[in-house]
Amino acid sequence: AQTVTQSQPEMSVQEAETVTLSCTYDTSENNYYLFWYKQPPSRQMILVIRQEAYKQQNATENRFSVNFQKAAKSFSLKISDSQLGDTAMYFCAFMKLGANSKLTFGKGITLSVRP
Amino acid sequence: GAGVSQSPSNKVTEKGKDVELRCDPISGHTALYWYRQSLGQGLEFLIYFQGNSAPDKSGLPSDRFSAERTGGSVSTLTIQRTQQEDSAVYLCASSRLGTSGILGPDTQYFGPGTRLTVL
Repeated sequence: AQTVTQSQPEMSVQEAETVTLSCTYDTSENNYYLFWYKQPPSRQMILVIRQEAYKQQNATENRFSVNFQKAAKSFSLKISDSQLGDTAMYFCAFMKLGANSKLTFGKGITLSVRP
Repeated sequence: GAGVSQSPSNKVTEKGKDVELRCDPISGHTALYWYRQSLGQGLEFLIYFQGNSAPDKSGLPSDRFSAERTGGSVSTLTIQRTQQEDSAVYLCASSRLGTSGILGPDTQYFGPGTRLTVL
């Protein structure tokens, strides 16, 4: 079974600064996918970024980038130039390859961006 | 096109009553998932549908919980004899295939959830 751990329950960052959210996971799989989802107060889950485990290159999406360390089973999210709209809960998630693409989530972290 | 929709948005019920939560997936998506988001517990997988079949029910917490899907589309999650610990946000997601391969994941699209409060 897979587990995903987000050990920081809350973080705060000043607008325009950079913040890093941590995530570790445990699996015996060699190929898998990792995701960061954002959940604003509207409850709508939004996919922020994904990483394929077989790719060494870290994924980037505009202001969002990841630091994927496969050997360490670490998958952190860096948000650059933080904006007020980034205020939300952020969830790290794991997906195995194969049939049944269910997601295993961490407990989430609440990020607050201060004006 | 329309995204995943869920109804009701909020539901308040009394302990011991039965509730039904509905999910309308994206048209054409064969896979459908239910998750539960409880305070302090993150998101937990409940059940996975492929078409109208549920090959993975491993996340259902007790036999008070059941779900069905009809016509390969709408799904209903039923909780019988609700308890206070059932209070949570219930999220539904759908995806095109339900299978992820080396070429890419089968991306899940989430609905806005139903907030269930059991008094």
